[in-house]
Amino acid sequence: GENVEQHPSTLSVQEGDSAVIKCTYSDSASNYFPWYKQELGKRPQLIIDIRSNVGEKKDQRIAVTLNKTAKHFSLHITETQPEDSAVYFCAASKNSGGSNYKLTFGKGTLLTVNP
Amino acid sequence: EAGVTQSPTHLIKTRGQQATLRCSPISGHTSVYWYQQALGLGLQFLLWYDEGEERNRGNFPPRFSGRQFPNYSSELNVNALELEDSALYLCASRWGAGDTQYFGPGTRLTVL
Repeated sequence: GENVEQHPSTLSVQEGDSAVIKCTYSDSASNYFPWYKQELGKRPQLIIDIRSNVGEKKDQRIAVTLNKTAKHFSLHITETQPEDSAVYFCAASKNSGGSNYKLTFGKGTLLTVNP
Repeated sequence: EAGVTQSPTHLIKTRGQQATLRCSPISGHTSVYWYQQALGLGLQFLLWYDEGEERNRGNFPPRFSGRQFPNYSSELNVNALELEDSALYLCASRWGAGDTQYFGPGTRLTVL
């Protein structure tokens, strides 16, 4: 089955700096890669996602890049703010007719943005 | 639009008992997923229900089971509770051929 590795497990940055979280996946058939943010005691919330037919996607300060050949995708947060502090999870799934859309998650990255 | 809801928020049980957790998906969503979030283990896929049928299950023992009702709400049952079942159980719903899974707030299950 699919396996998703996520690094680093913890990341501490100064406010205004950039943060990068990296994930690798094992199943070349995976075609959907979401990123979720989970604040303490809250539900995971989707912040950005990308499909395998796209190499990069950006939404304001957040961007995701995908390298299908290397089976690698990354989350980039620029101009970090204290409210970006949370646990971030990457995930991968096979989303198409007949597949189960099951998300396989990385183990998470605790991002701390210091004011 | 109301989000995914789950009940109860917290549940405390003793070893050997049974637990029942409930999930209501976003209106119009027919697929419901259950995930277990145990400390240090990330989110692990438990079960997928779609149109009232169990479509797939993760690597969990048969004492984890559930069902989906005609209104697409779902129930997760955990029998013969063990201490290691203590975790946050998250439900997510998805619309038809859409990609995104939307999560509920979770049920914190504590087994003593």
